[in-house]
Amino acid sequence: GDSVTQMEGPVTLSEEAFLTINCTYTATGYPSLFWYVQYPGEGLQLLLKATKADDKGSNKGFEATYRKETTSFHLEKGSVQVSDSAVYFCALSANTGNQFYFGTGTSLTVIP
Amino acid sequence: DTAVSQTPKYLVTQMGNDKSIKCEQNLGHDTMYWYKQDSKKFLKIMFSYNNKELIINETVPNRFSPKSPDKAHLNLHINSLELGDSAVYFCASTTGGWVSYNEQFFGPGTRLTVL
Repeated sequence: GDSVTQMEGPVTLSEEAFLTINCTYTATGYPSLFWYVQYPGEGLQLLLKATKADDKGSNKGFEATYRKETTSFHLEKGSVQVSDSAVYFCALSANTGNQFYFGTGTSLTVIP
Repeated sequence: DTAVSQTPKYLVTQMGNDKSIKCEQNLGHDTMYWYKQDSKKFLKIMFSYNNKELIINETVPNRFSPKSPDKAHLNLHINSLELGDSAVYFCASTTGGWVSYNEQFFGPGTRLTVL
């Protein structure tokens, strides 16, 4: 069945460091891929998405490219800030649009 | 305007009690979900409704019963609460349908603590 595997945390980085959170997926058909962010005490909110192979999603300095050949959707940011401290979830949506599959979440802490 | 709202935000109750959590979305979406998030932030899908019809019913105790009076509302009733039910419960919605590119919108969560 469809699934998402993402890098386990927690991840601790210094401000301005480079961030990569790995995400790989297993899916039949042509899923869409998402990164969600959950700030402390809040619900999940969409960070970025890509709906077909080679698409790059980007938002707030974060980027991820949908790589069908490696079934990956790694999240990157060139220079993290303290305000990026949150839990990040990789997710995929199958063709039906009703079933979402979430990764286990990766907790990121950025220290000044 | 809040897109997906949940009430209450916090719920503290004794073991054995029955409680309900309510969810409303004003996005005009057809599909709504309930998720349970444990202390390690793992998200588990519980139920999903599409236009008031149950379409996803994962393996959860039958003490949990969802109800969708209309497509804008999805409530969760929990009978005979147990300590292990303590978690954050999230409601979410999406346009649904036979496409994959529509994201889910999440509510702020209900933190349930069973004593």
